[in-house]
Amino acid sequence: NAGVTQTPKFRVLKTGQSMTLLCAQDMNHEYMYWYRQDPGMGLRLIHYSVGEGTTAKGEVPDGYNVSRLKKQNFLLGLESAAPSQTSVYFCASSYIRAGGYTFGSGTRLTVV
Amino acid sequence: GENVEQHPSTLSVQEGDSAVIKCTYSDSASNYFPWYKQELGKRPQLIIDIRSNVGEKKDQRIAVTLNKTAKHFSLHITETQPEDSAVYFCAASLDAGNMLTFGGGTRLMVKP
Repeated sequence: NAGVTQTPKFRVLKTGQSMTLLCAQDMNHEYMYWYRQDPGMGLRLIHYSVGEGTTAKGEVPDGYNVSRLKKQNFLLGLESAAPSQTSVYFCASSYIRAGGYTFGSGTRLTVV
Repeated sequence: GENVEQHPSTLSVQEGDSAVIKCTYSDSASNYFPWYKQELGKRPQLIIDIRSNVGEKKDQRIAVTLNKTAKHFSLHITETQPEDSAVYFCAASLDAGNMLTFGGGTRLMVKP
């Protein structure tokens, strides 16, 4: 039982490049989330999903897209990376009426 | 939507002293209040949570209290140790498993 797994753990992108971050959970959780955390700051919600095939915007969705084609996977895409997207990205998942989030270990992304 | 405010933003205590972190929330419909601890470079981890039908919950040196009338809840850490040094986040949601709204975080430093 791995919990929530994020890949990659580190990545450096050049401005304008694209990439996809993968989040996989093996706990059969319905809800999945993508957050970003900037230095010294809290967690800001980018996008979330309440079930397979559904996604919704969070607090800071601009410049990101997501997909949840399978219940266990939640993908975060950056179409054209910008330096302002340099951050640590956390994926999380939760089970209805069963407690808080389980977080992945994070992806440290640097855009140069 | 829900708004969660957390105070203080930084807290420095001497080893062995107690630490208290306070949060207020705006949505009276919120019923689930977890606390997360995030050590440097690590993922946030759930340390304790409380539901609205309970006023207080304890787990060894940590406790959480909830005042639904005043819409505030607090984290209490007794006999602090250097390994308690971390950033602590409070959060609120309508129900366990639902989307969380996080406070801005408190950086706790325990001096040996």
